[in-house]
Amino acid sequence: LAKTTQPISMDSYEGQEVNITCSHNNIATNDYITWYQQFPSQGPRFIIQGYKTKVTNEVASLFIPADRKSSTLSLPRVSLSDTAVYYCLVGDTGAGNMLTFGGGTRLMVKP
Amino acid sequence: SQTIHQWPATLVQPVGSPLSLECTVEGTSNPNLYWYRQAAGRGLQLLFYSVGIGQISSEVPQNLSASRPQDRQFILSSKKLLLSDSGFYLCAWRDGGGMEKLFFGSGTQLSVL
Repeated sequence: LAKTTQPISMDSYEGQEVNITCSHNNIATNDYITWYQQFPSQGPRFIIQGYKTKVTNEVASLFIPADRKSSTLSLPRVSLSDTAVYYCLVGDTGAGNMLTFGGGTRLMVKP
Repeated sequence: SQTIHQWPATLVQPVGSPLSLECTVEGTSNPNLYWYRQAAGRGLQLLFYSVGIGQISSEVPQNLSASRPQDRQFILSSKKLLLSDSGFYLCAWRDGGGMEKLFFGSGTQLSVL
């Protein structure tokens, strides 16, 4: 299993861009990188997923270098409502594989 | 569209009592199903996952068990709850054909007193 390491917490201000990095040194060839967002007392929800290079959707971008040993979630112009815990998940797309989350990064957006 | 239902939302149980949490998924077939637990202020701990009816894999030794009596039903149980079983329990599913995107239920907040 590819173990992930993220900063425990980060602070930011409204309107700033936030970059959260996840390390996954032993990522396997078949592993995808997926980021989730979790608010208190709710289940995590999918943000973005990628395999290599850059992926962008309506809420975030995901940057993955060529060696794939790390990834960076980029949130443009954060607002107070982006205050949440962000999890990086690395796993095989094959059916039946257990999907283990790391500790997550607690992002606090201040006014 | 696919939906996941998890109940109850909150539960308060005495130590030593039994537990049964149910999760059902609609709108898909042969999903991979997962039970996670989250202690207050902590990350997600994978408890069980299942790739099909009657197929359960356990990740950690514990006071809990899981069963999958039907394709889209996943049940978390305990015969005797411990104080340490308190936490936020989340059920999740993903497409059985691959792709890693997980969809989570709304969770059950369990307090064992």
